[in-house]
Amino acid sequence: QVQLVESGGGVVQPGRSLRLSCAVSGITFSSYAMHWVRQAPGKGLEWVTVISYDGSGKVYADSVKGRFTIARDNSRNTLYLQMNSLRLDDTAVYYCAREVSVTTESAFDYWGQGALVTVSS
Amino acid sequence: SSELTQDPAVSVALGQTVRITCQGDSLSNFYASWYQQKPGQAPVLVIYGENKRPSGIPDRFSGSSSGNTASLTITGAQAEDEADYYCNCRGSGSHPWVFGGGTKLTVL
Repeated sequence: QVQLVESGGGVVQPGRSLRLSCAVSGITFSSYAMHWVRQAPGKGLEWVTVISYDGSGKVYADSVKGRFTIARDNSRNTLYLQMNSLRLDDTAVYYCAREVSVTTESAFDYWGQGALVTVSS
Repeated sequence: SSELTQDPAVSVALGQTVRITCQGDSLSNFYASWYQQKPGQAPVLVIYGENKRPSGIPDRFSGSSSGNTASLTITGAQAEDEADYYCNCRGSGSHPWVFGGGTKLTVL
């Protein structure tokens, strides 16, 4: 049974930090790039960040660059998102997702159920 | 531009065919992937690559691409297909991956 389970969400004040985790089971984790995608309340999907299969490559959306850090522990089949200097507009459901890609094809084939992060004073 | 543009809302009569489109420069170089999202649920991949369907996705869902436009077609729409649909594509520069704004599909 495939499971991607996010945890660590909650309510946090502006400027504070939060760390999300995504525990993966039932699928191969260490061979695939992993992403975080977020969705603000009532809004569309927004790509946030990606980490390569071995953790050597990381790319961030401009909106989170310098504040968020993605990491992974392949021995624990777990993906992380460290979020610092949180802002009100970071309020969203955060999803982890596995990427499958071959040359010009790329897709997120497995998604977690999402973790709600609410930034509020 | 690395943006993907979708119509905000589309409607279809039960059992009829509907096409949802996605436009963007990146689609000239990369295939789109399509996601279905129902209220309160995580997105689900329905189409990727050159018209590939993941296991469990009904064959009434199909995809196509021409130039800078990708399309998701539902042939014989069912009530359970009512959902938001998002396209996604590899981008470039500071937008390495980008989602369309989403299309709300209503099945009448």
